Amino acid sequence: DGGITQSPKYLFRKEGQNVTLSCEQNLNHDAMYWYRQDPGQGLRLIYYSQIVNDFQKGDIAEGYSVSREKKESFPLTVTSAQKNPTAFYLCASTATVNTEAFFGQGTRLTVV
Amino acid sequence: GENVEQHPSTLSVQEGDSAVIKCTYSDSASNYFPWYKQELGKGPQLIIDIRSNVGEKKDQRIAVTLNKTAKHFSLHITETQPEDSAVYFCAASKTSYDKVIFGPGTSLSVIP
Repeated sequence: DGGITQSPKYLFRKEGQNVTLSCEQNLNHDAMYWYRQDPGQGLRLIYYSQIVNDFQKGDIAEGYSVSREKKESFPLTVTSAQKNPTAFYLCASTATVNTEAFFGQGTRLTVV
Repeated sequence: GENVEQHPSTLSVQEGDSAVIKCTYSDSASNYFPWYKQELGKGPQLIIDIRSNVGEKKDQRIAVTLNKTAKHFSLHITETQPEDSAVYFCAASKTSYDKVIFGPGTSLSVIP
């Protein structure tokens, strides 16, 4: 089945550590996105990529980094520079601009 | 850039009643308006979308209307059921835009 997969579903991190969230899609979509969602809040864009080896900062990129070495993969690293990383992280993909976004099931990151 | 506002932030209706969620957008060039439903602990899923060359679209109990002049669009859910309880997000994008802009979300509760 085609879809977008995020792993792990739950992740715990100690303060001061970097952690990488995985996002893989087999939909052959060109564009991929990372959003952050805090309790009772909307979706805030962290980074997005329209094509392999290229990505742009979203509204809240500070403390995060991404790579897009393969079309199907768009991992997000939450660095120690992110002061408040505890949140629900959502990855999405679209075939092209202006089409339906497919979301993964999310990764809940907790800093302990 | 584009800004999407959404009202109300929370909505409670009795089972069987209708629910209406309204969104406004700022960029008159936006031409794609999807609606997503997010259940607790999951990623959002598209429920209906509309493009700017159409004023209304219906899919069973769900309908969306678009007023391009006023730059607002609405989601209508008729004969609500408890399983309609979720957070609903509107969004806007345009052909030359490289990201989807989401509204802040509406938490809908359908009371049995």
